[in-house]
Amino acid sequence: QKEVEQNSGPLSVPEGAIASLNCTYSDRGSQSFFWYRQYSGKSPELIMFIYSNGDKEDGRFTAQLNKASQYVSLLIRDSQPSDSATYLCAVTRGQKVTFGTGTKLQVIP
Amino acid sequence: EPEVTQTPSHQVTQMGQEVILRCVPISNHLYFYWYRQILGQKVEFLVSFYNNEISEKSEIFDDQFSVERPDGSNFTLKIRSTKLEDSAMYFCASAQGLDTDTQYFGPGTRLTVL
Repeated sequence: QKEVEQNSGPLSVPEGAIASLNCTYSDRGSQSFFWYRQYSGKSPELIMFIYSNGDKEDGRFTAQLNKASQYVSLLIRDSQPSDSATYLCAVTRGQKVTFGTGTKLQVIP
Repeated sequence: EPEVTQTPSHQVTQMGQEVILRCVPISNHLYFYWYRQILGQKVEFLVSFYNNEISEKSEIFDDQFSVERPDGSNFTLKIRSTKLEDSAMYFCASAQGLDTDTQYFGPGTRLTVL
């Protein structure tokens, strides 16, 4: 069983639309949840983190966490072509970080 | 803005050789990490380091790997006897505090083992 699971995509959305990215995790002891963006050939760049159930908003990004369902999501509003990248979900337990395989997002102009 | 730096950007080595990958974390950060990403695959945690000792390591981080903070600025990853399957991008990251919410990644070192 994969520890952190994401649909690999690609997820294609038109410019200006809402992109919805999903992630499930298997370890109920996971403590913190992160979304990173990774452009091809580059290092991961932190977008948001969330610790507790509910929604957390930061600009065009909203992270949602449901620990009972072991589910994390990222919404990107008003998607821009520059948002086209692979989005990595990561969860932590202690100092150990587990990444998902990432979802490739394509924003079509 | 402070950033994590890594050298070299690309390292080519022969199988069985030792390599040392270098990282300079952000200066006031206390927690340091190494990750690897094999081409086309996910980012994998290798090790975390705090207060001059390993705080957590993954199953990948076996006896062939070691980490060191030889001075106040550098953080190194050594692979003693490289294998073909060690070919990957290696990322260093650092964080300021106890929470891992502030991990900043370096640009990575691409290791190619021939």
